[in-house]
Amino acid sequence: AQTVTQSQPEMSVQEAETVTLSCTYDTSESNYYLFWYKQPPSRQMILVIRQEAYKQQNATENRFSVNFQKAAKSFSLKISDSQLGDTAMYFCAVSYTGANSKLTFGKGITLSVRP
Amino acid sequence: EPEVTQTPSHQVTQMGQEVILRCVPISNHLYFYWYRQILGQKVEFLVSFYNNEISEKSEIFDDQFSVERPDGSNFTLKIRSTKLEDSAMYFCASRQWAGGDQPQHFGDGTRLSIL
Repeated sequence: AQTVTQSQPEMSVQEAETVTLSCTYDTSESNYYLFWYKQPPSRQMILVIRQEAYKQQNATENRFSVNFQKAAKSFSLKISDSQLGDTAMYFCAVSYTGANSKLTFGKGITLSVRP
Repeated sequence: EPEVTQTPSHQVTQMGQEVILRCVPISNHLYFYWYRQILGQKVEFLVSFYNNEISEKSEIFDDQFSVERPDGSNFTLKIRSTKLEDSAMYFCASRQWAGGDQPQHFGDGTRLSIL
C-alpha cells in the first residue's frame, strides 16, 4: 500500500516570491513515480510536474521544481516567481510502475498568492 | 492538445435514481480511470480499466458502481441507486500505455449532486 501525506493544509505567498509545498510518502516499492497536480477553483486537475524515483536529478518545469529526497521519502514542490494564477489546491501523488498504476493522492494544500 | 472530455459538467439527481457519467478519453489511450473527490477532501481512486475489463477497483467501488466502454470511444461510470454520500466530483482520466511515468490526463470532472 502507498500513502501520501501533505501536512500543511494552507499556505500563502506574496506575488513574485518563492514558496515550497511539502509532501512525504510511504511505499514498499523500489520503483515508482511522483507527481504534483494543480487544481484551480475551476476544479480541473492539471499535471504540474513529475519525478521518476530512479532518477537522482530533480525535475524542473519552468518556474516549478522539486526537491526529491528518496531516502527521506520526501517530494516537495518549489514555485518560483509566484503568480496570481498559481492560486490553487496542489496535490502530491504517487503511482507504481506497471499496468494499473493508479494514483494515490495526498489531502492537498491550498496555496493563495497575494497581490 | 487532445483532451479528456466529460459530460455532463453538473448532474443533479434524486436519491435512489440511477446516473451515468460519461467520458471520452484521448483517442490513442488504452488505460482508463475513474476518481472521486468529495468536497474539501482528497481525490480517491475508484477503478481502472484496460482491454475491456476492470484492472483494479477500490473499496469504494462496490456493487452499485459499474463501468463500461460501450463503443470504443466512450467510457462510462454508472451508479445504480444513488445515495446522498455519492455527492462528489467525479474525474475520468486516461493514459496512453502502461508505465507509471506516463501521466494520467484528467477531464474537467462531473459534479454530481444527490438530493
